[in-house]
Amino acid sequence: GQSLEQPSEVTAVEGAIVQINCTYQTSGFYGLSWYQQHDGGAPTFLSYNALDGLEETGRFSSFLSRSDSYGYLLLQELQMKDSASYFCAAGSARQLTFGSGTQLTVLP
Amino acid sequence: DTGVSQDPRHKITKRGQNVTFRCDPISEHNRLYWYRQTLGQGPEFLTYFQNEAQLEKSRLLSDRFSAERPKGSFSTLEIQRTEQGDSAMYLCASSLALRPNEQFFGPGTRLTVL
Repeated sequence: GQSLEQPSEVTAVEGAIVQINCTYQTSGFYGLSWYQQHDGGAPTFLSYNALDGLEETGRFSSFLSRSDSYGYLLLQELQMKDSASYFCAAGSARQLTFGSGTQLTVLP
Repeated sequence: DTGVSQDPRHKITKRGQNVTFRCDPISEHNRLYWYRQTLGQGPEFLTYFQNEAQLEKSRLLSDRFSAERPKGSFSTLEIQRTEQGDSAMYLCASSLALRPNEQFFGPGTRLTVL
């Protein structure tokens, strides 16, 4: 089975940088994904790390350390529209197991 | 729009009734997943198909739940004898088999069991 832990809430101001951490305990771990979900919306894929290190996609970056069973999502130059829930998800060959999500609030 | 679609978007039913939801995945995706999400939680895996084969079911999935993907395209999820605890958002997602960690979600069906 898999379990993931991430902070329940994070608050930051517009233009700032925020890091959302995720630790996991898994079997059959392939990689760590990140999804964004706005209130009332569907989860949207952001990034995937199969290997250790940093993956950068525009303002968002994601990091994985397999030896530490740890990853994070880094959001730079925060915008109001980034206010949403962010989920880390541990992937196996067959399924994703999602964390409970981190509610990010971006203040003006 | 070529994204994942789900129907209906909302369903209100009385306890004990059967309900069926439909999901149409992105056409070139051979994997289709069903999840359940409750308020304040992440999506919870229920089952997935590769083409028409159902390859995995969550141990949390009771016998009242059944899913099909008869022609490897759309899928249906049926809940029999609904209970109030079944009230949730039911999400469908699809992906390429080679990229199972990059899933595309539909808008979901919100089920309310009275």
